[in-house]
Amino acid sequence: EPEVTQTPSHQVTQMGQEVILRCVPISNHLYFYWYRQILGQKVEFLVSFYNNEISEKSEIFDDQFSVERPDGSNFTLKIRSTKLEDSAMYFCASSIGKTQYFGPGTRLLVL
Amino acid sequence: GIQVEQSPPDLILQEGANSTLRCNFSDSVNNLQWFHQNPWGQLINLFYIPSGTKQNGRLSATTVATERYSLLYISSSQTTDSGVYFCAAASSGSARQLTFGSGTQLTVLP
Repeated sequence: EPEVTQTPSHQVTQMGQEVILRCVPISNHLYFYWYRQILGQKVEFLVSFYNNEISEKSEIFDDQFSVERPDGSNFTLKIRSTKLEDSAMYFCASSIGKTQYFGPGTRLLVL
Repeated sequence: GIQVEQSPPDLILQEGANSTLRCNFSDSVNNLQWFHQNPWGQLINLFYIPSGTKQNGRLSATTVATERYSLLYISSSQTTDSGVYFCAAASSGSARQLTFGSGTQLTVLP
């Protein structure tokens, strides 16, 4: 069964550094998403992406975040200048209909 | 935006017992999904169920959209069922943005 994959599984970075989280959505899916989960808290929506543009974004998704689909298979989330509070599990998801399928997540730790 | 509330927050069961988890939502939905978050943090899709009833093995779910709630039933629970169960919904006006509840932490004891 096709799956969403994410790399890396874990990333440690220094505050102020840029990070890029990578996702390979399920191949025939058209909608792509990023969510995050701060340790012990709810999963929160960040952004959805369709037809090479952002379709929805939350108030969390401010100017330090950006998303890109650089080629036909990858979907990336860039955090320009990381803060301590960006430490979280970041999930990528994709869908073709309404059911969203989640990847295994990237655990980001900002020191 | 839509509010999603889950109950109970914690549930401890003996292996073999049955349980019911509840999800209330504040608006009409066109997407409702149940997930199981395993100890490694992965979110496993259980059901897409904006209305009606579905069954998959020992798990079943029912959503009564007109009364704005969904129920997840786990029968004959096993220790591997332990983890956090999340309900997530998207309102009819924001079909792609899932709002998650706070989850139910389920512990199944051997």
